[in-house]
Amino acid sequence: EVQLVESGGGLVQPGGSLRLSCAASGFIFTNYAMSWVRQAPGKGLEWVSTISGGGGGTHYADSVKGRFTISRDDFKNTVYLHMNSLRAEDSAVYYCAKDGGSSPQFFDYWGQGTLVTVSA
Amino acid sequence: DIVMTQSPDSLAVSLGERATINCKSSQSVLYTSNNKNYLAWYQQKPGQPPKLLIYWASTRESGVPDRFSGSGSGTDFTLTVSSLQAEDVAVYYCQHYYSIPLTFGGGTKVEIK
Repeated sequence: EVQLVESGGGLVQPGGSLRLSCAASGFIFTNYAMSWVRQAPGKGLEWVSTISGGGGGTHYADSVKGRFTISRDDFKNTVYLHMNSLRAEDSAVYYCAKDGGSSPQFFDYWGQGTLVTVSA
Repeated sequence: DIVMTQSPDSLAVSLGERATINCKSSQSVLYTSNNKNYLAWYQQKPGQPPKLLIYWASTRESGVPDRFSGSGSGTDFTLTVSSLQAEDVAVYYCQHYYSIPLTFGGGTKVEIK
């Protein structure tokens, strides 16, 4: 059974940093791209970032480029999202999602999400 | 960037009746080299993460009831729930994966009439 468990969310001041983690199990982690998708309260879904499987590249939404960094540890079956220079508009539930293949595509499994609140 | 536009924003359908949701992309998401449409549909119930329903525009994810179907090609797509059940009350999203950035439609809220 595929499981994705996010952690690391919380309250942070504007300009601060946070690192989200997503522990994955139930599939061959290294073979798949992994993504982060966020949802502001009462709003729709916004793709944030994807890291390809098999040592592939990284991709970012323009809204987070230069501030967020996605990485993965294929030995720990974990994907991370390092978030710097956080803004109020980054407040959202952040979902970790497994892509359907080794490159960015649809998301066939999702975690339960971790809430990030950026506020003074 | 490819903009995904869903319609309607919300709809109310009687139990057992058909629900139809439309999704239009600002440019084609059909990859001619493999004749695949890079389009997915998700269902999100309150307090839950999204759930994949359909990918490649018309391939139903394993375990998804066959009352859910996807159709369309190029820039115009449809998600149909053939006979709405109470458990289908949710917000539905389309998403393209043709290119970066990946983008979602704004969502369609489906309720019982």
